[in-house]
Amino acid sequence: DTAVSQTPKYLVTQMGNDKSIKCEQNLGHDTMYWYKQDSKKFLKIMFSYNNKELIINETVPNRFSPKSPDKAHLNLHINSLELGDSAVYFCASSAGIPNTEAFFGQGTRLTVV
Amino acid sequence: SQQGEEDPQALSIQEGENATMNCSYKTSINNLQWYRQNSGRGLVHLILIRSNEREKHSGRLRVTLDTSKKSSSLLITASRAADTASYFCATAALGGSNYKLTFGKGTLLTVNP
Repeated sequence: DTAVSQTPKYLVTQMGNDKSIKCEQNLGHDTMYWYKQDSKKFLKIMFSYNNKELIINETVPNRFSPKSPDKAHLNLHINSLELGDSAVYFCASSAGIPNTEAFFGQGTRLTVV
Repeated sequence: SQQGEEDPQALSIQEGENATMNCSYKTSINNLQWYRQNSGRGLVHLILIRSNEREKHSGRLRVTLDTSKKSSSLLITASRAADTASYFCATAALGGSNYKLTFGKGTLLTVNP
């Protein structure tokens, strides 16, 4: 069973569209994250949720709206997609306490054309 | 702000050789972690070293941490072609209810058979 799963794996869409990426973890973790990895492999945290509550928002444009219906799910909705949004988006989860590791999903490669 | 900065950015060695990657960071941390990313895949946790530890081993991996210099190193001994991947350090800091992992830019390791 996959610990952190995200769908879809690939997403190609036109500028201006709205799209969603879904993430689910079956590890019982309290904390979930979204990271963006650009073409230079730089990983930047976007959001962090703890028990469905937003605790980190790293100056991400408000076109990006995370939603956590329960602590096992953290979805990412993106409005009015732009070319610069093209990247690989990773969902991750952790126990949210010090000295614990994060578990990552396989990533969603978003291409905006 | 970016925390970890790995060097070198890229490293190419022969199978059987040792590979050393370095990471520097800027602020206080709870722990430092190393992750591996195979091409097109998610990140996989390798090892975690706490801020009060100086060295840690796991199989062929050896990690050191020097909090006075704000630096860490990852040594992979007797490298194999299968070790070819990108390696990231991540600093973990706890502030209030936020437990945040901040990644460096990674080192691309190529192990030639």
